[in-house]
Formats: sequence, structure tokens, C-alpha cells
Amino acid sequence: EDQVTQSPEALRLQEGESSSLNCSYTVSGLRGLFWYRQDPGKGPEFLFTLYSAGEEKEKERLKATLTKKESFLHITAPKPEDSATYLCAVQANGNQFYFGTGTSLTVIP
Amino acid sequence: DAGITQSPRHKVTETGTPVTLRCHQTENHRYMYWYRQDPGHGLRLIHYSYGVKDTDKGEVSDGYSVSRSKTEDFLLTLESATSSQTSVYFCAISPGTGFYGNEQFFGPGTRLTVL
Repeated sequence: EDQVTQSPEALRLQEGESSSLNCSYTVSGLRGLFWYRQDPGKGPEFLFTLYSAGEEKEKERLKATLTKKESFLHITAPKPEDSATYLCAVQANGNQFYFGTGTSLTVIP
Repeated sequence: DAGITQSPRHKVTETGTPVTLRCHQTENHRYMYWYRQDPGHGLRLIHYSYGVKDTDKGEVSDGYSVSRSKTEDFLLTLESATSSQTSVYFCAISPGTGFYGNEQFFGPGTRLTVL
């Protein structure tokens, strides 16, 4: 069964305290892994796509990495404006998408 | 934001009534999707479209139908709404440019309450 699991469910960091969010997946025929950011009351905002194990993508304080079973979203020296829920999703064969339940990140000034 | 709008943004209805949600895009993207988001479940795919009049089911399609008569519009219909369909509904679009993964761009959402 195709499945995406994110951990931790919630994370509180001091401003400047780096950490990582985990996304583990089981899927038949992975066509892509995606990271999104979602602010309260809004739709998810696209961050990264990763296609194959070993791939890395970076954007400002965020870096996403991919292995054959999981992906990490590394947050370096976070700021309060990085507070949001981060969602991981996978695209499987047949154009089906599966989302995790997200990690709620709070960055304290 | 990508050019995606959803209407209505909020709706309260009664059990057994039909409901139609509309998604409109100005990006001319080929793929359009409907998701629902519920606490503890995350986003779940309901239906998607890969072209005008071309649609397919997602993970949670029971009780929902869709139609796409124009590239820019994708409608989600609840034929007879039930309380279990109370949720936030998101539309997403994707250019679908190749075999490998296609990032999605989401609309602002519609909050539907079925009493």
C-alpha cells in the first residue's frame, strides 16, 4: 500500500537552531517526491521536487534530500517566518499523489 | 500565487443537498486536481483531470463527481452531501510536462460544512 509518514508531528525551535524534518515513504513506482509549505488558512505552496535517490535541492534556509526510502527537509538557522506546516507528497504510477499529515514547525524568536 | 481561484470560499449546506465547487485557472495547465484536507488525514486526492473531458479517480472518490468542459474550469460535485464530506477542499493545477514528477500549485481552498 502506498504510504507517506512524516515526523515529528510538531517541532518547536529557537531562532537559529537548525533541525531536520523526516518523510518516509512506501510507494510503487515513485515518479517524484514533493515538499510543500502550508500556512494556516491557505493552500500548500510548492517548495521542491526530488526525482531520484541522492538528489538534493536548496532554497534559502531549506535543503531537501532524498534516499530510496525517505526524504529530509533540513532547516538551517530558521527564522520566525519559517513557522508553518511542511507537507511531503509522493507521486506514484498512474498519476496518483499521496500526502503525509505534515510537520508543524514553530520558530521562537 | 499561480492563477487559481476557487468558489465559493465558504459554504454551509444541509445533508442531502447537492453542492458544486468550482476551480478556475488562468495558467492553461493540462492537469487539475481536487483534494480534501482533514485533520489526521492530510490531503487526499478525490479526482483529477488530464484534459478536457478526461478525468480519473483518486483515493477517496466515492460520493463525488467531476467535470471539465473547458481547460480553465474543473467542477467538483457532491450529488447528495453528507456530514462526512465536511472538509476543506483544495484545487491544484500542474503543467504535466513530462513523465517525471509534476509539481502542483494549489488554490486558496473552500471550507464546506454539511449540517
